[in-house]
Amino acid sequence: DIVMTQTPLSSPVTLGQPASISCRSSQSLVHSDGNTYLSWLQQRPGQPPRLLIYKMSNRFSGVPDRFSGSGAGTDFTLKISRVEAEDVGVYYCMQATQFPVTFGQGTKLEIK
Amino acid sequence: EVQLLESGGGVVQPGGSLRLSCTASGFTFSTYTMRWVRQAPGKGLECVSSITGDAAATSYADSVRGRFTISRDNSKNTLYLQMNSLRAEDTALYYCAKDFVRALGDWGQGTLVTVSS
Repeated sequence: DIVMTQTPLSSPVTLGQPASISCRSSQSLVHSDGNTYLSWLQQRPGQPPRLLIYKMSNRFSGVPDRFSGSGAGTDFTLKISRVEAEDVGVYYCMQATQFPVTFGQGTKLEIK
Repeated sequence: EVQLLESGGGVVQPGGSLRLSCTASGFTFSTYTMRWVRQAPGKGLECVSSITGDAAATSYADSVRGRFTISRDNSKNTLYLQMNSLRAEDTALYYCAKDFVRALGDWGQGTLVTVSS
């Protein structure tokens, strides 16, 4: 199985400042069809997860443009350009290039 | 609007069985891969099983293979997870999720499974 490793596991951020979360996979996530099936999810307290980014860099419907995804091969990054109070929660990366689908451990974003 | 409603959770003794259901609406159910994802209390996410739209292919996490069975009834827009030989470590909130280009685009609110004597 592909292991997904996120850093940091906790990220205190000042409102209005940028934030960045890294995710590394144990194998390349480039699929034979040329796509990279790496996605990012946000889970606010007490809520189910919500899709933010799919195929590494595509924002899902309704996701604010302050969220962006980038990366290549085995190294990926989720960036929030200016953190807002509603961004508090846990962020997960997920790979679906190879089955079984696997998740990172989660990164808790909190406000300083 | 996509809606996913899980049901069937509850308290069960170790070794017991439960069947979870997920009723879907707001999209053409039969054309989408569906997945069950669980979250143990205070822990992260684990995809336990997936099934393609036509039910031709299924997959399972090693932790549940041989004990859990995923299925679907496209005439009823319903996804199932039959869970047998339940263990304490299966205690979790179980979500059903709709696939979107190999991501999880829509989620239900989850149903809680507690395995305890």
